[in-house]
Amino acid sequence: LAKTTQPISMDSYEGQEVNITCSHNNIATNDYITWYQQFPSQGPRFIIQGYKTKVTNEVASLFIPADRKSSTLSLPRVSLSDTAVYYCLVGPPGNTGKLIFGQGTTLQVKP
Amino acid sequence: KAGVTQTPRYLIKTRGQQVTLSCSPISGHRSVSWYQQTPGQGLQFLFEYFSETQRNKGNFPGRFSGRQFSNSRSEMNVSTLELGDSALYLCASSSQLGSYEQYFGPGTRLTVT
Repeated sequence: LAKTTQPISMDSYEGQEVNITCSHNNIATNDYITWYQQFPSQGPRFIIQGYKTKVTNEVASLFIPADRKSSTLSLPRVSLSDTAVYYCLVGPPGNTGKLIFGQGTTLQVKP
Repeated sequence: KAGVTQTPRYLIKTRGQQVTLSCSPISGHRSVSWYQQTPGQGLQFLFEYFSETQRNKGNFPGRFSGRQFSNSRSEMNVSTLELGDSALYLCASSSQLGSYEQYFGPGTRLTVT
């Protein structure tokens, strides 16, 4: 299983773009990269998933370089409501048991 | 589409008792996974059910069990509760077995005294 490393915490201000980077040096060929967001006392919320290059949806963008050893979740123009824990998960589809939620990155958005 | 629902939302039990938690997945989703979240251990995978069969299992003792019904609704049971079982229990559904694109419910907050 690919081990992931992401910053424990980050601070930002409203209106800024936030980039959270996740390192996964031993990512396997069939691994996908998935990001979740979690607010206190709520279940995680699926944000985005990708395999390579760039993926964009209405919430965020995911940038994956060619070597796939890292990925960056980009949140455009954050607001106070984006204050949450963000988890980077790496693993092969087909076995939810391999879904490992690490410490995540606690993003604090300030006014 | 309605999201994943879990009942009850809060529960207080005494050590040694047993508890059953319920989860209704998003309509059309056939996979239901259960997770335990505690401040110390984080979010840990319990098991996944698909088409009424347990397909994946995490590293939890046999006191933790589950089942899935023909309508994809799922229940999780914990027997002989211990203080350490106090946690937020989360259910997630997905359209495919083993998908990492899961949709979580609000959770059941279990307190064991």
